[in-house]
Amino acid sequence: GDSVTQKEGLVTLTEGLPVMLNCTYQTIYSNAFLFWYVHYLNESPRLLLKSSTDNKRTEHQGFHATLHKSSSSFHLQKSSAQLSDSALYYCALSDRYYNQGKLIFGQGTKLSIKP
Amino acid sequence: ETAVFQTPNYHVTQVGNEVSFNCKQTLGHDTMYWYKQDSKKLLKIMFSYNNKQLIVNETVPRRFSPQSSDKAHLNLRIKSVEPEDSAVYLCASSSGTDNNQAPLFGEGTRLSVL
Repeated sequence: GDSVTQKEGLVTLTEGLPVMLNCTYQTIYSNAFLFWYVHYLNESPRLLLKSSTDNKRTEHQGFHATLHKSSSSFHLQKSSAQLSDSALYYCALSDRYYNQGKLIFGQGTKLSIKP
Repeated sequence: ETAVFQTPNYHVTQVGNEVSFNCKQTLGHDTMYWYKQDSKKLLKIMFSYNNKQLIVNETVPRRFSPQSSDKAHLNLRIKSVEPEDSAVYLCASSSGTDNNQAPLFGEGTRLSVL
């Protein structure tokens, strides 16, 4: 079945350094969409980014990601980390045909930014 | 501004009790979901309803039952809770089941089973 892998459970960075959170996925459905959600403590998970077409970069709030179907990846990046970026980040996969709109989430990566 | 409302925010109960969680969305969406976020922060789908019809029912224990009175409401009942039910239960909604529709989540109901 479909799956999403976020290999880092915890990423700790110093403020100002670049951020890269890894996300790879498996699906046999060619038209799957990938999402990044950010979850701050005691708040609701919030959509950060949604994938576009293959090899096209999508950006929002300083973060960006590019869907690469050749490597089944959708890594999240930011050029300069801020203290307020500290949160739990989920990568998720959706394909209508097999999953009827539900999201398959990765394990989540906790991003901790230090001063 | 949150448009998916969940009550209660927290609930503490004992093993064997019955609990119910409520969810309402004011977005006019057709599809609603229940997700479970466990103690390891793993987030997994439990149920999905589209226009009051159950369309996704993952392998969850039979003590869990979703209830939908209309497409704006999706409640979750747990009959006879177990310790492993301690988790955050997240309700979400989206406009249809197309795979490019990103669900909008509520703030969750945190359940502690003693």
